[in-house]
Amino acid sequence: GENVEQHPSTLSVQEGDSAVIKCTYSDSASNYFPWYKQELGKGPQLIIDIRSNVGEKKDQRIAVTLNKTAKHFSLHITETQPEDSAVYFCAASKGAGGSYIPTFGRGTSLIVHP
Amino acid sequence: EAGVTQFPSHSVIEKGQTVTLRCDPISGHDNLYWYRRVMGKEIKFLLHFVKESKQDESGMPNNRFLAERTGGTYSTLKVQPAELEDSGVYFCASSQVGEGYTFGSGTRLTVV
Repeated sequence: GENVEQHPSTLSVQEGDSAVIKCTYSDSASNYFPWYKQELGKGPQLIIDIRSNVGEKKDQRIAVTLNKTAKHFSLHITETQPEDSAVYFCAASKGAGGSYIPTFGRGTSLIVHP
Repeated sequence: EAGVTQFPSHSVIEKGQTVTLRCDPISGHDNLYWYRRVMGKEIKFLLHFVKESKQDESGMPNNRFLAERTGGTYSTLKVQPAELEDSGVYFCASSQVGEGYTFGSGTRLTVV
């Protein structure tokens, strides 16, 4: 089955710095890679996703890159703000929704210091 | 649009007791999933319903866990009898085909 590794487990940055979270996956058939943000007391919320037919996707201060050959994908947050502090999860699956069950990484606790 | 609702938000029970968690998915979402996160670890899949049918229950840890989805609407997850290692946050999510998940806020279960 799929195995997703996520690093680092904890990331501490100063407000305004960039933050990068990296994930690797094992199943070359995976083609959908969502990222979730979990704030305290809430459930994980989808913030951005990427499919295997693109190498990069951007949404304001958040970007995700995918290297299918190396089976790596990363989340980049620029100009971090204290409200970006949360646990971030990467995931990999063979599709989106329906019977495509994603495999999640262990999560990265991002702390943005004002 | 109401999101995925889970209750209770927290539950503390003694080892050997029974607990039932409930999830109300987004109206009209046929797919409902249960996940669990043990402290510091990944979010692990438990099972998947399509309407009222169990599509995949390969992630259920053992027969102390029983999930139901009455009439294809809300779902319950019962743990009986609870053990210490069952502690964690139980998430429910729902989706339509081709769309990403919407998660509930989770139920934090502590077995003492």
